[in-house]
Formats: sequence, C-alpha cells, structure tokens
Amino acid sequence: DAGITQSPRYKITETGRQVTLMCHQTWSHSYMFWYRQDLGHGLRLIYYSAAADITDKGEVPDGYVVSRSKTENFPLTLESATRSQTSVYFCATGPGTTKNIQYFGAGTRLSVL
Amino acid sequence: AQKVTQAQTEISVVEKEDVTLDCVYETRDTTYYLFWYKQPPSGELVFLIRRNSFDEQNEISGRYSWNFQKSTSSFNFTITASQVVDSAVYFCALSDPYNQGGKLIFGQGTELSVKP
Repeated sequence: DAGITQSPRYKITETGRQVTLMCHQTWSHSYMFWYRQDLGHGLRLIYYSAAADITDKGEVPDGYVVSRSKTENFPLTLESATRSQTSVYFCATGPGTTKNIQYFGAGTRLSVL
Repeated sequence: AQKVTQAQTEISVVEKEDVTLDCVYETRDTTYYLFWYKQPPSGELVFLIRRNSFDEQNEISGRYSWNFQKSTSSFNFTITASQVVDSAVYFCALSDPYNQGGKLIFGQGTELSVKP
C-alpha cells in the first residue's frame, strides 16, 4: 500500500493536447495538493482541495483544472498543454492543520513538445 | 507575504566534511511551522523535520541537526560527517498560518553533492 500514488510517472505530449495527471491516496487525508517543481523556483502550489468538491487556487493555477469528486482522488488536468507546463508535478496530502506534515507522491515528469 | 530563501543553489563537499544548508524565511505571523524535506536523485520528497515557531530548541537526529533562530528568521540544517548518500536536493518550507490545510511555501532548494 503506497499511501499516495501518482500516475503516470512519465508523460510526453504535444502542445495543445489535454493531459490529466492522476493522484490517489489511501490515508483519507482531508487535504490534497498539487505542486509543480521547476529549476530555480522550488515547488509552487497549483491547486489544493480541503475536501471532496472543495478546491481552491494556489500560486500558479493558470492553465490547470482540478476536480475532487471523491476524497481519495485529485486529478490535475492541463486543458491545452503548453511548453511552459513542462515540469515535474507532485501531489501531496495532509490531515488538514498547519502543524501537520504533508506527504508527497513520487511525482510525474511531464514533457510538452 | 511569506517567503523562504535558500541562497545556496549548489554545495559540493567531500565525504566526512560537515556542511550547513541555510534557510531564511519571512512571515508576519507569530505562529507558523518550518520544515525541511530531502529530495534524493530518485525524485521523491522525504520529510525530515517540522519545527514550531514557539520552540527554538535546536534538534539533533543522528548526523543531522537543525538550528532555529527567530531573531534572524533562520532555520539552518547541518549534516555532520557527510556521506555520499546525503547527496540530494534539500528544501526548506514554511507553513501557511491561516490553516488552509497547511499549505507549504518552499525555498528554491539547495543541491548537495557529497563526493567520495
């Protein structure tokens, strides 16, 4: 039981295509997060969700869409991929208070050609 | 606004040397949490430590130690007698204080290379 699983691990796509990155957790944590990691920027928050059907924007939400119909899943969709969205994407979960640790998935490396 | 700065982009040391990774943060809040995460070459992020803003005691865990100083808004990480397995990117992070699930604000990361 991996706890938090991201799929796919690697993805190559072309500009203009729609891409969905999946995130699944088995811990029943209330909060889920999507970050992107780029050289020189560390990790930046894209979207987060406090519970099923509750989502909110992070620092860099443009070009991304999220949904959370079930507590355990939090997919991230790039509606029309651009080269600037080439990045490593991390999903994380957390119990929901500031003192709690966030747990990260293994990441998805996305290349947009 | 909250901000985390890791001024050292890359550090290279020889095995058994001690190395300190710097982290400086900015926040107007009196209650916050600070974190260090390790990202080894395999890519996953591994939690190392969480520090409460009210607890300025230094912490030691094996070869790792952390020095938290509110007066200088710093939360530095020292590895004693470094080993090749310590080679990784290390991130310092600050938690958002408004209870929005503990959103993390990350520094840019410091890539540590430990050579044999």
